[in-house]
Amino acid sequence: EPEVTQTPSHQVTQMGQEVILRCVPISNHLYFYWYRQILGQKVEFLVSFYNNEISEKSEIFDDQFSVERPDGSNFTLKIRSTKLEDSAMYFCASSELWGRNTIYFGEGSWLTVV
Amino acid sequence: KQEVTQIPAALSVPEGENLVLNCSFTDSAIYNLQWFRQDPGKGLTSLLLIQSSQREQTSGRLNASLDKSSGRSTLYIAASQPGDSATYLCAVSLEGFQKLVFGTGTRLLVSP
Repeated sequence: EPEVTQTPSHQVTQMGQEVILRCVPISNHLYFYWYRQILGQKVEFLVSFYNNEISEKSEIFDDQFSVERPDGSNFTLKIRSTKLEDSAMYFCASSELWGRNTIYFGEGSWLTVV
Repeated sequence: KQEVTQIPAALSVPEGENLVLNCSFTDSAIYNLQWFRQDPGKGLTSLLLIQSSQREQTSGRLNASLDKSSGRSTLYIAASQPGDSATYLCAVSLEGFQKLVFGTGTRLLVSP
């Protein structure tokens, strides 16, 4: 069964450093998403991406964050100048369309900021 | 603002029991509701998707119902097995928005 793949599975970074998390969505999907889950808390929406642009973003997704689809397969989340509170599991997800279709999640990238 | 709550927060049952997990949401203007399973330190596995116009969906031993007007969904697991042990999350998508709003989760432990 097709799946969303994410790399790295775990990254430790120093506060203030830039981090790029990578995702390969399911190939025929058109909508891409990033979510995060701080340890012990709910899964939270960060951003959705469609047709090479951000279609929706949350209050969390401020200027520190950016997303990009640099080629036909990868979808990246960049976090500039990481803070301790950015430590979380970051999930990439994709769906064929929006609304009527299941959203498929990757295994997550665990980011630890020290 | 949409709030999604799940009860109970944790549940421990012996193998073979049938069980019900509950999800409630405050804004009934949802587009659909999705149930996920999350194993410790792992990603989210989609279990069932119910459109707002549907009342229930079934997959194997799982049955999810939706009562949009009362803001409730239930996930019924029949004949539970130790392999069902995981955290179960419900999430709703709102009309006009693309994001999913997740619940707090129910941590299920099925003992042999």
